Amino acid sequence: NAGVMQNPRHLVRRRGQEARLRCSPMKGHSHVYWYRQLPEEGLKFMVYLQKENIIDESGMPKERFSAEFPKEGPSILRIQQVVRGDSAAYFCASSPPTDAGGETQYFGPGTRLLVL
Amino acid sequence: GQQLNQSPQSMFIQEGEDVSMNCTSSSIFNTWLWYKQDPGEGPVLLIALYKAGELTSNGRLTAQFGITRKDSFLNISASIPSDVGIYFCAGRRTSNTGKLIFGQGTTLQVKP
Repeated sequence: NAGVMQNPRHLVRRRGQEARLRCSPMKGHSHVYWYRQLPEEGLKFMVYLQKENIIDESGMPKERFSAEFPKEGPSILRIQQVVRGDSAAYFCASSPPTDAGGETQYFGPGTRLLVL
Repeated sequence: GQQLNQSPQSMFIQEGEDVSMNCTSSSIFNTWLWYKQDPGEGPVLLIALYKAGELTSNGRLTAQFGITRKDSFLNISASIPSDVGIYFCAGRRTSNTGKLIFGQGTTLQVKP
């Protein structure tokens, strides 16, 4: 029973490049959440998606960041024209269809993004 | 914005000792969750609390949902070296948003 999977685990980009982070939720889960964690801080909510729908993107920066969860395939968090301040660990979580409120979220191992 | 104040920030204890950490907020939460994060990994869910006053155990871990709905605590009894890590509280305010708000974390170190 595989948990939440994220890839890549580590990603290095130069300023101005694009970063694509992928998340495959747990089997049977239809809700996906993205969080960002800076060193020695707690996780900060970015976006909540269901299949083909963005439910809450209140934590997503207005520019350069986008997220999708297509009908088929993983959820993608995309960061365009990365800057050094985007360096962080990005975590994906998922919850089952019966948990529409996201009460019980299971986290993936994260993608550590380093922008040079 | 919504914030959770988690304390203590760090703890260094002797193996076998009990540990207590807590989270407080100025806002009411409907759900409290406690996670543990190991270096280089994602948070792992330890305990979930859904009702004010609820007291839930998971092995040596016990957590409570404060009666005012503005706080929660986590106790670890008889600590062992593998308890080392960062413990986070997380809360959810309103229904159907899916948004969890995290505390700043408590770093626990256990001396054998």
